[in-house]
Parts: sequence; structure tokens; C-alpha cells
Amino acid sequence: DTEVTQTPKHLVMGMTNKKSLKCEQHMGHRAMYWYKQKAKKPPELMFVYSYEKLSINESVPSRFSPECPNSSLLNLHLHALQPEDSALYLCASSQDRTGYEQYFGPGTRLTVT
Amino acid sequence: KNQVEQSPQSLIILEGKNCTLQCNYTVSPFSNLRWYKQDTGRGPVSLTIMTFSENTKSNGRYTATLDADTKQSSLHITASQLSDSASYICVVSGGGTTSGTYKYIFGTGTRLKVLA
Repeated sequence: DTEVTQTPKHLVMGMTNKKSLKCEQHMGHRAMYWYKQKAKKPPELMFVYSYEKLSINESVPSRFSPECPNSSLLNLHLHALQPEDSALYLCASSQDRTGYEQYFGPGTRLTVT
Repeated sequence: KNQVEQSPQSLIILEGKNCTLQCNYTVSPFSNLRWYKQDTGRGPVSLTIMTFSENTKSNGRYTATLDADTKQSSLHITASQLSDSASYICVVSGGGTTSGTYKYIFGTGTRLKVLA
């Protein structure tokens, strides 16, 4: 199984809502990533978890809060977002942090109204 | 500064024609280079991976080349199909092997449209 799954596929939320994005992989990978991708732009790294510990936070605003409950799951909790946060949010995983291919999920299309 | 630049930004070709996409990078130290295909609204899917010692690698109608001396790579698509319409992203890995310094650096992508 070389699949990374993400739910939901689409999400529309108001600026006062609280929602969560979920990501799951069963490849035994120990590194998981959140990326944000705006239209016609490459993915931008947000967070990296390595062995269930946050190893990189690319200066992401606190309205985005990642969580790694176990080695297979990665969540992104959203609160008080702004319209400019509307984007495709991609989750990826890799065997380890260094030197290994990242496998990407299909993404969650987020719209903030 | 570690950078990956791709050209052209966009490309339109007729079905059945061949095309070549370019990637130039300045990542150092270099670990490997990958080409991904990304359909609109979907996650990137890996096409090829090339290490320092590899010059050419094929995956069906996709052939990637790497010149580590000039730090250039190309992706050649043969006999294009409508389903090849997508963004193609060059990703260079490197920057060190110590956790935290290793980087996965994305190019800006080439948007390919294949017309019937």
C-alpha cells in the first residue's frame, strides 16, 4: 500500500469556525509533512513531523495547529482562518526525514469565507 | 541560495507530439532529483528519481536526463496524450543529511496542456 489518504476532499469554513484536516498512511513511514499550495504555485512546506515529534515549523501562523497522534496519523487543526488561507493542503509522508521519496496525498481543497 | 527553476512556465502541444521540459538547480550538496506530475487539484505523483551518477532514466513515455556538471535536468514526453495535461514539478533534494538541514526544494512547475 503506497497510498496517503486525506479527508475531507473539500472544506468550506467561515473565519470563526474550527475544523480539522486529517491525513493517514500505512506504509510505516516515520516522517509526515503538511504543505500549502496556492493556484499555479509549487507546494510550500508548513510542518514536518519526524518519529511523531514536530521537527520543523516553517514560521506558520498559530491559527494552524498540527498534531501527530501516532505514526500513521497527522492532523491539521484550523481556527480563525483568513480568506487568504484558502488553498490546497497537501499531506505527504516518507520513510525518514532524509533522502527518501515523499508520497503525497490527494489534498484537501480549503475555502475560507 | 538553493533554487530550482523550470522552463517553460507553460506549454501547449498537440496530441501525439513530443515535448521537453527543463529544470535548472543550484542546490548544494545535491542528493537527488525527482520529476512529479500533478493533475489539477490533486497531489503530486512521482515519475522518476535520479541520483548524481545517473544520466538517463525512463518511465514509459517519460524520459528524464540529468547533467550533474551543469546542474540541469530535462523531462522528455514522447507521443503525448490528453491525459498528460498537468503540471510537472522538478524537486531537488539536498542541503545536508542532518535532520533539519535536508531540504526538498520544489521548482515552480511547467503547466502542460495537450490538445486533441
